[in-house]
Amino acid sequence: AQKVTQAQTEISVVEKEDVTLDCVYETRDTTYYLFWYKQPPSGELVFLIRRNSFDEQNEISGRYSWNFQKSTSSFNFTITASQVVDSAVYFCALNQRDDKIIFGKGTRLHILP
Amino acid sequence: NAGVTQTPKFRILKIGQSMTLQCTQDMNHNYMYWYRQDPGMGLKLIYYSVGAGITDKGEVPNGYNVSRSTTEDFPLRLELAAPSQTSVYFCASSHGLAAGGTQYFGPGTRLLVL
Repeated sequence: AQKVTQAQTEISVVEKEDVTLDCVYETRDTTYYLFWYKQPPSGELVFLIRRNSFDEQNEISGRYSWNFQKSTSSFNFTITASQVVDSAVYFCALNQRDDKIIFGKGTRLHILP
Repeated sequence: NAGVTQTPKFRILKIGQSMTLQCTQDMNHNYMYWYRQDPGMGLKLIYYSVGAGITDKGEVPNGYNVSRSTTEDFPLRLELAAPSQTSVYFCASSHGLAAGGTQYFGPGTRLLVL
């Protein structure tokens, strides 16, 4: 069965600290996509990144980086030098053959000034 | 491009009333989805559509109906509203897995059933 687990329900860090959000997934498919979405306090869902199952290269975008490891079925998200504007709920998600995205329950991130 | 638009932004319903949540996308996406997000929770799929005239149930379809007569529009109908349907409703669309499967979301409709 397919499943996305975000074990960290809530994290608080002080501004400028680095923080890693964990995501572990389960799937039987060999072709799938993984995503991270951000939901700021305003409520909208913002797409951050997509990674396909054949591309295990890590990705960096500014202060954001993603580490995809098929061996451990993980797709972790790191924010470097966190800022208050990073405070949000972050969702990891899995899309496989049936085109229905499975979302994790989200990690609520508080960046304290 | 407006992307995915949803109306209304907020609505209060009385128990037993009905309403339609509107969703329109201008990205020519074949795939469209309706989710609900209860307070402090993740997203649950209500219904989805892989193209005009084709719809299918998601995880929590009871109490809802959908139709897809055009590529652009995917309205969600609530019949006989119940307090358990108090939630935020998100519509999303995508080109499908063959094109990467990224779903783009509307701003949401906040529904309160009293």
